[in-house]
Amino acid sequence: RKEVEQDPGPFNVPEGATVAFNCTYSNSASQSFFWYRQDCRKEPKLLMSVYSSGNEDGRFTAQLNRASQYISLLIRDSKLSDSATYLCVVNGIINTGKLIFGQGTTLQVKP
Amino acid sequence: NAGVTQTPKFQVLKTGQSMTLQCAQDMNHNSMYWYRQDPGMGLRLIYYSASEGTTDKGEVPNGYNVSRLNKREFSLRLESAAPSQTSVYFCASSHGTINYGYTFGSGTRLTVV
Repeated sequence: RKEVEQDPGPFNVPEGATVAFNCTYSNSASQSFFWYRQDCRKEPKLLMSVYSSGNEDGRFTAQLNRASQYISLLIRDSKLSDSATYLCVVNGIINTGKLIFGQGTTLQVKP
Repeated sequence: NAGVTQTPKFQVLKTGQSMTLQCAQDMNHNSMYWYRQDPGMGLRLIYYSASEGTTDKGEVPNGYNVSRLNKREFSLRLESAAPSQTSVYFCASSHGTINYGYTFGSGTRLTVV
């Protein structure tokens, strides 16, 4: 089993749609969770951290379910500029700073 | 305001040639990492340096060596390049044990022919 698993997609949605991505992780001791965004042929960039109580940043909402070991990202009112690959990221060995990256979910927002 | 700087951005090597990928960060981060990214494989950790003076193997270290030259710089060396090392290489840095996430460089696109 991979340490971090995501549905690779692609998810093709029209502008204005709401879309949700899920991710599961295998290490129940993981404590830090993130969503990264990667545009084509660019480096990954931190989109948002994921907190236990859930958190929101504009049109983006992240949720964490520790019991089921999954993380979600909800994007409301999708924009063309949201088209990218979204990487689910979880910390690896505790206190090493190492992060484990999922393979990513590709989102295409169409006019 | 540079963040993480990688050089070169593009490189073409012949099989058997050697080269060093350079990475430098100006955020006073303790930890630095080298990843490769291939289609369908996601980001795979090659080597990392938790702090100045230490380096450790990641998931795919074979064919690579690293040097943590000082707190700012972490280089990746290919001693004898192979076509299987054609990839996009990303350097990243972080505070270390405090997980604020990584900051990535813009990547090096390497082709080995």
